Amino acid sequence: DGGITQSPKYLFRKEGQNVTLSCEQNLNHDAMYWYRQDPGQGLRLIYYSQIVNDFQKGDIAEGYSVSREKKESFPLTVTSAQKNPTAFYLCASSIGTGWDLNTEAFFGQGTRLTVV
Amino acid sequence: GEDVEQSLFLSVREGDSSVINCTYTDSSSTYLYWYKQEPGAGLQLLTYIFSNMDMKQDQRLTVLLNKKDKHLSLRIADTQTGDSAIYFCAEIRDTGGFKTIFGAGTRLFVKA
Repeated sequence: DGGITQSPKYLFRKEGQNVTLSCEQNLNHDAMYWYRQDPGQGLRLIYYSQIVNDFQKGDIAEGYSVSREKKESFPLTVTSAQKNPTAFYLCASSIGTGWDLNTEAFFGQGTRLTVV
Repeated sequence: GEDVEQSLFLSVREGDSSVINCTYTDSSSTYLYWYKQEPGAGLQLLTYIFSNMDMKQDQRLTVLLNKKDKHLSLRIADTQTGDSAIYFCAEIRDTGGFKTIFGAGTRLFVKA
């Protein structure tokens, strides 16, 4: 089955530690995205990648880092510099980007990160 | 404003119609989307409308688009308890790179 997989579903981290969230897709999509969801707020874009070995900062990139070494994988590292990391993180992919329906995003099931 | 705006909550009785409203900002947006998020899960694309359309119907779902007012609505006919979820409106915005901008989501409660 084609899809997008995030792991783990729940993650606990001690303050001051870096943690990496996994996102894998087997849809052969070029574009991948990381969003953060907080209660009562819309999804906010952290980073996105339109093609392998390239990525751009979104609206709230500070304290996060990503890599895109393979088309199917777009891991997100939440660093200790992120001041308020507890949130629900959603990864998505799309065929491409632009003004057409290739921007339809397919989402993973999310990772809930809690800093303790 | 710069945000995609939605009201945060909507409560309806089972069998009634639900109408979820959204205002967006970019008049050049080509596609506007509605996503559904069930508890603890990712988002799923529910429906979309192309900007040269005023209305799109898909079974129980009707999307209305008023480009002049930049207003988008999603009507769910005969709302069921299984429709309880958060509904996100989204537009594509070109800010030197294409980004999908989501609203805050409207939480729909369906009372039996």
